[in-house]
Parts: sequence; C-alpha cells; structure tokens
Amino acid sequence: QKEVEQDPGPLSVPEGAIVSLNCTYSNSAFQYFMWYRQYSRKGPELLMYTYSSGNKEDGRFTAQVDKSSKYISLFIRDSQPSDSATYLCAMSASETSGSRLTFGEGTQLTVNP
Amino acid sequence: ETGVTQSPTHLIKTRGQQVTLRCSSQSGHNTVSWYQQALGQGPQFIFQYYREEENGRGNFPPRFSGLQFPNYSSELNVNALELDDSALYLCASSFIGAYEQFFGPGTRLTVL
Repeated sequence: QKEVEQDPGPLSVPEGAIVSLNCTYSNSAFQYFMWYRQYSRKGPELLMYTYSSGNKEDGRFTAQVDKSSKYISLFIRDSQPSDSATYLCAMSASETSGSRLTFGEGTQLTVNP
Repeated sequence: ETGVTQSPTHLIKTRGQQVTLRCSSQSGHNTVSWYQQALGQGPQFIFQYYREEENGRGNFPPRFSGLQFPNYSSELNVNALELDDSALYLCASSFIGAYEQFFGPGTRLTVL
C-alpha cells in the first residue's frame, strides 16, 4: 500500500468551476502538507503549505488538512485555463529543509475555456 | 537570482551503461535533493546532500550515487542502467531549516 494515495484523474472542468483535489495518507508521522503544481515539461512548484490540521487560504486556493481522518484537500475557486496542470500533494514528517517529501501520484486537471 | 538548473535536458542510454546528471542549485541554497519521477507518477525521493555529505536516502539501490560540490552544485550518478530507470530526474534545492524546496525542470532519461 502506498503511503500517499491520490486520484490521478484526469479531471476536466469548465472555466469558473470550483475544483476539489484530495489525498489520503497512512503515515501518522506526517505533519507538514504541501500542494505542488507541475506544468508539462516543468518541475513542480509549491502552491500551498500547511502544518498539522486546519485550513489555509491564498487567493483562489484553499488547503485543508484533517489529521484525524488522514485526509487533505485543495480547493481552487473560479478555475482558469491557466490552472490546467498536474497537482501533486506532498507530505513530510519534518520541517527541516530537504527532509524527504513523499508525493502522491498527481491529479491531471484541465480547465476548459 | 537564477533558479535551479539541470543538464542535460534529455538523455538516451542503453541498458548497462552509466549516466551522470547535473544540477546547479538556486543561489545561496545549501541543500540539494534528488527525486525520480516515472511517467504518470509522483516524484520519489532518492537522496539529499548537505555540506557535501549524504543526509538521507530513499529506497534506491547503491548504484544510485551522488555528489555535492563546495559551490552547492550536485551530480546524480546511476550505474548499470536498467529499463525501469527511464524517468524524469528532478533536483530540488533549499536553505537548511526552510521547508520550501525549489525544483529544477528535470532531466528526461530514456534507457533502451
């Protein structure tokens, strides 16, 4: 069983839709939760970072963490065609720089104009 | 400020050969991590280097090895290439003590 499970999609939505992306995990030691966005032929870029349980909002993006259920989510409001990319959840047991990140397999999102 | 750069962009090798991939960290960063991303999968942690020493390793065999140089650039070496080594190899740099890792564009390795 993988430590982090993520529905690979693909997910296709119309412009302006609310997008919900989710991951589940099995390792109780994970405390730091991240969402990365990866465009085709590019490296991942950090979108959101959350420590422990709770919500965090940044513009059109909201990240939620429920440690009791071992479940994390990323919501994208008013989705735009430029949001079309692969979204990767990532987790870490330590905040120290370079600590290994454990990634989900990514969800491919297409936002249609 | 330049970002993380990797070379080469693409590489084709045959089974049994050896390969060296290179990474230049973002200016000032002192930690580098390497990840392998198979097609349709998330990145998998290979290892991390800090102060020129290996500082953590994932579930990869010893034929995957690395180096970090005094200027914080890094190399990933893979010996005795296997078909399953075909993947995108990502380098990520960061400051020690900071959570954000900055990824390069990757090197696409194809093993025939």
